[in-house]
Formats: sequence, structure tokens, C-alpha cells
Amino acid sequence: DADVTQTPRNRITKTGKRIMLECSQTKGHDRMYWYRQDPGLGLRLIYYSFDVKDINKGEISDGYSVSRQAQAKFSLSLESAIPNQTALYFCATSAGGGVVETQYFGPGTRLLVL
Amino acid sequence: KQEVTQIPAALSVPEGENLVLNCSFTDSAIYNLQWFRQDPGKGLTSLLLIQSSQREQTSGRLNASLDKSSGRSTLYIAASQPGDSATYLCAVSSLTGGGADGLTFGKGTHLIIQP
Repeated sequence: DADVTQTPRNRITKTGKRIMLECSQTKGHDRMYWYRQDPGLGLRLIYYSFDVKDINKGEISDGYSVSRQAQAKFSLSLESAIPNQTALYFCATSAGGGVVETQYFGPGTRLLVL
Repeated sequence: KQEVTQIPAALSVPEGENLVLNCSFTDSAIYNLQWFRQDPGKGLTSLLLIQSSQREQTSGRLNASLDKSSGRSTLYIAASQPGDSATYLCAVSSLTGGGADGLTFGKGTHLIIQP
């Protein structure tokens, strides 16, 4: 089984709808991240969390919210989706705790907002 | 604000050639630099991580170098194979965040290895 999983993998929704993207990890990592990827713009950081009580805004947090339900789960919500939130969304984890380690990425969720 | 630039945006070479991908960043106060590979429909796979105190890292046919003072990194791929075809992404983490507060990515180099 994959260490970092994202659900759903693909989603089509309409403008104004609320949508939640979910991320789960079995790596036992403390740190979790949400990024979005747009063609021609690369990946940009939306939110990140060091533990269930520590949530931080990234470069492009407007229009998004997150919830860290447990060490292993980090959800991204779009309260009222708009078409320019159409993108590929990635969740990532890293170990933290003073360990210099890479980030491990999930397979991504492709979101289309009509 | 940190900015990461990757050149070229796309590259197509015959199988067997050695090649170099370039990455530059504007703020030298980095904690580490990472190279990732992205295949269509899949997530990112980490290839190499270079800490700010290091000059290079090697893994198999891949070698990544880091010149922090000049804000540059290169990824060298030896004896390229069709399976190396993918998009290669360079990313840095900030020194002030201790490497924890997320990565700043370049836009990637789309690499095609012709059989």
C-alpha cells in the first residue's frame, strides 16, 4: 500500500460548492503539507502542519482551509469553489523532529471546477 | 521572496547521451535543495537531497551539485535511458524555517529521451 494516499483522485464540481480533499499517511510523520500545481506555474504551498495543534498558512492560502484530524490525516477544504481553483493538488509529509529528510508526496487529486 | 528557475523548460535528447539540467534560486539562505521526478498521473518522487553545507550528492547515474553562494544547482544524468523521460523539479527549503515550512519549486524541465 502507498505511504501517502489522497482521496478522491479526480473530482469535478461546480462553482460555489464546498469540497474536501483528504490525505492520509502511514509513514508516522509529524509534518504534512498541501500544494497545488498549475500548468506553467509549478507547485505552490497552500498550508502546512507540524502536528494536530500547529497549522500554518502557505503562499496561497486564500480560499482554502485545512483540518489536521490526527497525526495521519490532513484535509484541505474549498469552502466555495471557483474555477481558478482548478488544479492538481498534492499532499506531502516529512519526518520533522530535527531529522533532515525529504518530503514524500501523494499521487495527487485532479480537481476541475466548472 | 524566494524564486526558483529551471532551464531549459524542455529537452529532448537521444538515448545514451549525458545531460545537465539547471536550477537557480534567488535567495541563498536555503536549508536544503531537492530534485524530484514527476511522471504523468503520478506524484513526485524524490531523487536527491543536498543539505546547504554539502556540495553534491550522487545516486546511481544521477549527480546533483549545489553552489549556494551563486544560487545554482545542476542535475547531471549519465547515459540517459528512455525510462528517464519525465519532468524534473528542483525545490528549496528556507533556512529560517529550518527546512520545515514547505518547499519553493521551480516550474520543471520536461525531459524526453528518444530511443
